[in-house]
Amino acid sequence: ELKVEQNPLFLSMQEGKNYTIYCNYSTTSDRLYWYRQDPGKSLESLFVLLSNGAVKQEGRLMASLDTKARLSTLHITAAVHDLSATYFCAVPYSGGGADGLTFGKGTHLIIQP
Amino acid sequence: DTGVSQDPRHKITKRGQNVTFRCDPISEHNRLYWYRQTLGQGPEFLTYFQNEAQLEKSRLLSDRFSAERPKGSFSTLEIQRTEQGDSAMYLCASSPYRNTEAFFGQGTRLTVV
Repeated sequence: ELKVEQNPLFLSMQEGKNYTIYCNYSTTSDRLYWYRQDPGKSLESLFVLLSNGAVKQEGRLMASLDTKARLSTLHITAAVHDLSATYFCAVPYSGGGADGLTFGKGTHLIIQP
Repeated sequence: DTGVSQDPRHKITKRGQNVTFRCDPISEHNRLYWYRQTLGQGPEFLTYFQNEAQLEKSRLLSDRFSAERPKGSFSTLEIQRTEQGDSAMYLCASSPYRNTEAFFGQGTRLTVV
């Protein structure tokens, strides 16, 4: 059974600081997705990582994928309050040709002034 | 197109009643997904359609759950004989093809009393 683990699950940090969220998954997959969810809202796609070594950046967020280590990271640079949200990583359901996603439990991020 | 649309947004039902939710995907997205999300957890995959064909079903989808996508456009998710454990947010998502991100709707929040 595919397991997706994120850590930390809760993170409180100050504006201006850097931090990294980690996502480990248990079976082989060449794809990984990062989503953001604001309270009471739906999920917003942040990054689609499609190969080993993939790195994508958008603003203060940068995501990377190491398929050999089964690890993805989401790095936050110089955090600002607007980045406060819950961040999920997700891996294809069966780790292969399937299409549904298995999500981690999410990292609840609070950025304080 | 305004994105994935779900109806209703909220539903309160008594235990034992049947409920049906509707999802309208983004036009021309042939892939449609249903997920369930409980408080503090990541979304859990339920089922997936490519056009009108239901190609994947999670073991979470018990016999009381049924989903259809009759003409490859909108989809319905029906829960029969609801139980309190069915209380959750039901999310629908669509994507144009494989290896792209799925776009999520606002969800239907179900409360079973």
